[in-house]
Amino acid sequence: NAGVTQTPKFQVLKTGQSMTLQCAQDMNHNSMYWYRQDPGMGLRLIYYSASEGTTDKGEVPNGYNVSRLNKREFSLRLESAAPSQTSVYFCASSEMTSGQETQYFGPGTRLLVL
Amino acid sequence: GQSLEQPSEVTAVEGAIVQINCTYQTSGFYGLSWYQQHDGGAPTFLSYNALDGLEETGRFSSFLSRSDSYGYLLLQELQMKDSASYFCANKAAGNKLTFGGGTRVLVKP
Repeated sequence: NAGVTQTPKFQVLKTGQSMTLQCAQDMNHNSMYWYRQDPGMGLRLIYYSASEGTTDKGEVPNGYNVSRLNKREFSLRLESAAPSQTSVYFCASSEMTSGQETQYFGPGTRLLVL
Repeated sequence: GQSLEQPSEVTAVEGAIVQINCTYQTSGFYGLSWYQQHDGGAPTFLSYNALDGLEETGRFSSFLSRSDSYGYLLLQELQMKDSASYFCANKAAGNKLTFGGGTRVLVKP
């Protein structure tokens, strides 16, 4: 049981380049999320998917697109990277048990845009 | 909108008790969660309060007062490994979590 996995772990891009961050979970969770975390700050929600086939914008969606490929996989795409997108990106999935939601986070992708 | 306020940093010695406060302003509220994040690591779930009162899990306890829009995380018998950032988070309508800015706890020998 790997939990939530993310690839790549590190990436350096030049301004204007595109890339896709991959995320997969093997816990059969319906909900999945993409966050970004800037140094010394909390996590900000970029996009989320409440179930397979649905996606919704979070707090900071501009410059990003997502795809919920199937129940396991939720990818984040940067079409034209900008230095302001330099950050650590975390994917998460969640389960609801007895009214309590627990989010499980992947190890993160550290992205530097030059 | 949602906003959660917590202190930026707390320093304490091993064996001490630390209380991290979290005040929130939300348009919808379903519960307050706490997450721990070590430097370079991913956040991990610590506790969740949906109702008023104290939830105890080992050395960590979490408290919620919905009428005061306030909660706290209590770390007891501090250990060096407790040095980390701690985030409160509110689950609101739409199945989304909003995180506070985090409190960095530094434990000294």
